[in-house]
Amino acid sequence: QKEVEQNSGPLSVPEGAIASLNCTYSDRVSQSFFWYRQYSGKSPELIMSIYSNGDKEDGRFTAQLNKASQYVSLLIRDSQPSDSATYLCAPRADSWGKLQFGAGTQVVVTP
Amino acid sequence: NAGVTQTPKFQVLKTGQSMTLQCAQDMNHNSMYWYRQDPGMGLRLIYYSASEGTTDKGEVPNGYNVSRLNKREFSLRLESAAPSQTSVYFCASSHRDRTTDEQFFGPGTRLTVL
Repeated sequence: QKEVEQNSGPLSVPEGAIASLNCTYSDRVSQSFFWYRQYSGKSPELIMSIYSNGDKEDGRFTAQLNKASQYVSLLIRDSQPSDSATYLCAPRADSWGKLQFGAGTQVVVTP
Repeated sequence: NAGVTQTPKFQVLKTGQSMTLQCAQDMNHNSMYWYRQDPGMGLRLIYYSASEGTTDKGEVPNGYNVSRLNKREFSLRLESAAPSQTSVYFCASSHRDRTTDEQFFGPGTRLTVL
């Protein structure tokens, strides 16, 4: 069983719509959660971090965390073609900053 | 600031050859990491260095060795390359004390082992 599971993609989203990405994790001690975006052929870059249960909004991105359900999600509002990328969920349980990455969900925003 | 740099960008090796991947960061970060990324498998941690002078195994360390040369540099060595080590290798760094604990990634090294 994978420790971090994400929606299998690709997720096709019309331009202007909301993209919803889900992530579940198995390690109950995970305290910090990160979403990275990776464009094809490029390196990952951090777009969101969340540490407490509830919602956290940053521009068009909203992260939602439910530690009891071991679930974290990312919403992308008003999706743009530039949002087409793979999104990696990465919980962190280790005190030395080791991340556990999911396989990623590819998002394709269609005009 | 260049951030995290990696050399080389591309490399083709024959089975049994050795090579060292170089990584350097200019952000004064304490922690550095080596990942490999294979299709459908996400990023997997090979080795990490929590601080200068320390290194520890990650999820997939077999076939690799690392050296934390100083605070800036963290190298990854393949002693005897195997086709299973064909992958994209990313180096990353982070400053553990920062609230965001963001990891910054280098551009990657695309390695093919024939």
